[in-house]
Amino acid sequence: NAGVTQTPKFQVLKTGQSMTLQCAQDMNHEYMSWYRQDPGMGLRLIHYSVGAGITDQGEVPNGYNVSRSTTEDFPLRLLSAAPSQTSVYFCASSYSRAGGPADTQYFGPGTRLTVL
Amino acid sequence: ELKVEQNPLFLSMQEGKNYTIYCNYSTTSDRLYWYRQDPGKSLESLFVLLSNGAVKQEGRLMASLDTKARLSTLHITAAVHDLSATYFCAVDIEGWTGTRGGADGLTFGKGTHLIIQP
Repeated sequence: NAGVTQTPKFQVLKTGQSMTLQCAQDMNHEYMSWYRQDPGMGLRLIHYSVGAGITDQGEVPNGYNVSRSTTEDFPLRLLSAAPSQTSVYFCASSYSRAGGPADTQYFGPGTRLTVL
Repeated sequence: ELKVEQNPLFLSMQEGKNYTIYCNYSTTSDRLYWYRQDPGKSLESLFVLLSNGAVKQEGRLMASLDTKARLSTLHITAAVHDLSATYFCAVDIEGWTGTRGGADGLTFGKGTHLIIQP
């Protein structure tokens, strides 16, 4: 298993540009989520999905869109990049939301995004 | 407002010493996770604590959960340099309807940056 994969690893954008951060998992996990990590802070939830075709907002959703057309993929779209979106983005997945030991969230390697 | 507070946020200690990292959270939950993050890397799951009184141990690390006190601890025994990292606790509030309006996901503490010196 490759686990949770993210592309690209690094990205530099100009203000106003759009882009998509890719996330894929091969563990047949129903639950997927996106977090951002900023210096001196923990991770904050952007969007999440409990299954294909179902998405919802997290704590900091503004400026981001998601879709979940398949179980494996959960891309994050930046509509019009702003310097405040400079951050490290992590995708995570878990088997379900039932709260058992199997529901530990597994994190991808991260995408480091800079918006100039 | 849902809060997860870790302390200390920064800890420098010597090899061989013992220390405890504390994680307090502000609302009822019986699902708490500890993660480790090395510089420039992703998060690695350390412990999953799912009930009051749960205690998990792996090597020199031991985590516990007291849901009544809304407190989890991560205890380091006889620290070694390889344990230097940032440690995060995260609380899982499924269906919580606070300021996040019912978002299902982890709420993280700010992390404890641990440096263990020889």
